[in-house]
Amino acid sequence: SAVISQKPSRDICQRGTSLTIQCQVDSQVTMMFWYRQQPGQSLTLIATANQGSEATYESGFVIDKFPISRPNLTFSTLTVSNMSPEDSSIYLCSVEAEGLAGGVGEQYFGPGTRLTVT
Amino acid sequence: AQKVTQAQTEISVVEKEDVTLDCVYETRDTTYYLFWYKQPPSGELVFLIRRNSFDEQNEISGRYSWNFQKSTSSFNFTITASQVVDSAVYFCALSEASSNYQLIWGAGTKLIIKP
Repeated sequence: SAVISQKPSRDICQRGTSLTIQCQVDSQVTMMFWYRQQPGQSLTLIATANQGSEATYESGFVIDKFPISRPNLTFSTLTVSNMSPEDSSIYLCSVEAEGLAGGVGEQYFGPGTRLTVT
Repeated sequence: AQKVTQAQTEISVVEKEDVTLDCVYETRDTTYYLFWYKQPPSGELVFLIRRNSFDEQNEISGRYSWNFQKSTSSFNFTITASQVVDSAVYFCALSEASSNYQLIWGAGTKLIIKP
């Protein structure tokens, strides 16, 4: 399994500002993802962070609001831009393990970043 | 329609009881994967198991066991002799080709183990 760290672990931000969350993995991985988990809810995929190209965003999420960088195979950042209280959530990065015989591998998650927007 | 249904929002049992968490999925793909994750109060998601659609063998890992039945599209999770440390939210998830192998998550079941 991969060891994943996220910074910051939590933050309280004012509306209208931006926060960049970092995700670092201890090994090179192809697939890296960013999720949002609102209080008491399940996980929602924001985007797949692609190394060397633009991230692939899910419906309802746009690059202007959630710009993502993936400069190499061990690191990614997610920025939450022009924040509003509705952005208060836990943001998680994950990586996919290499699947057996080319199949889909399980995902391992970072500890999350708890964001509160006031 | 939900692709992954965890009908039990919350379950509360007394320590040492056995408890089963239900997961029903919906897919038209012949190749797909099913997962269970645990999210304790600390918030970190812990991977428990992955199953592919061609492997219907039940799995046991210590006090945990999983029952995969394609006939009923279910992938249920049983904890035997529950312990307080099992208290967490448990998520079932599906990965299928027609959804680009993204994880499709159930709503989660909150499990409370009382001492």
